[in-house]
Amino acid sequence: EAGVTQSPTHLIKTRGQQATLRCSPISGHTSVYWYQQALGLGLQFLLWYDEGEERNRGNFPPRFSGRQFPNYSSELNVNALELEDSALYLCASSLGRTSWTGELFFGEGSRLTVL
Amino acid sequence: DQQVKQNSPSLSVQEGRISILNCDYTNSMFDYFLWYKKYPAEGPTFLISISSIKDKNEDGRFTVFLNKSAKHLSLHIVPSQPGDSAVYFCAASGKRGNTPLVFGKGTRLSVIA
Repeated sequence: EAGVTQSPTHLIKTRGQQATLRCSPISGHTSVYWYQQALGLGLQFLLWYDEGEERNRGNFPPRFSGRQFPNYSSELNVNALELEDSALYLCASSLGRTSWTGELFFGEGSRLTVL
Repeated sequence: DQQVKQNSPSLSVQEGRISILNCDYTNSMFDYFLWYKKYPAEGPTFLISISSIKDKNEDGRFTVFLNKSAKHLSLHIVPSQPGDSAVYFCAASGKRGNTPLVFGKGTRLSVIA
C-alpha cells in the first residue's frame, strides 16, 4: 500500500515568488494536514482539510493557503515568499473525523528554500 | 504560546538502559496524547498513544505514562537499542477528531552502544 507522497522533494525559490507543494494521501484517508518544521522548531500546524473542506487553520498569515481536491489530494500554496518560509513542509493523512484514531501518517516532506 | 513542551532538546542513553522522554502541556482541554518518532530524511511515524482516561499504556518496549494533575506525560523505552536513536515528538489533541495535533519541539535521543 502506498504511503503519503509529497512533491517536490526540494524546491528553491526567491523572495516574493510563489511556491506550490502537493500531497497525495493514503488510499481511503479523507483528512489531510499540513505542518511546517522550521529549523529549531517543532511541527507547527498549518492547515487541515477533511472531505474537501478546510476544518482548521494554524496561526499563519493568509499568504499560506491550500485546498483539497475531490480525490482527497491536496496542495499548499505559499505566496509572496519570505526568507523565514524556508522549512520542511510535512503533509499527513488520516481517516476522517468520524473514524479518527489520532494517528497521522506523514510523508517525507518537501524542503522549501527561499533565497 | 507553546501548548506542548519538550524541555530536553537531547538525551543520551547507553544501550540496554532505560530512556525517559518527558513532555508537559498547558491546555487542560487536551484529551489524547501521542508520541511520534522521526528518523532523518523521513516523516514522523506514530509510536504510541494514550487517552486522558488512562494513566498508562504499554506496547512492547514502549510505555507512556500520563499524569493529568501535573499535565505531564513521559515515554519510557526499556531496554533502549541503537535503532531507537531518533527525534521523538510529543503531540496532543482535543476532543477526538475535532482538533489537529499540537506537537512539541522534539527530543533527540541517542542510544550509545
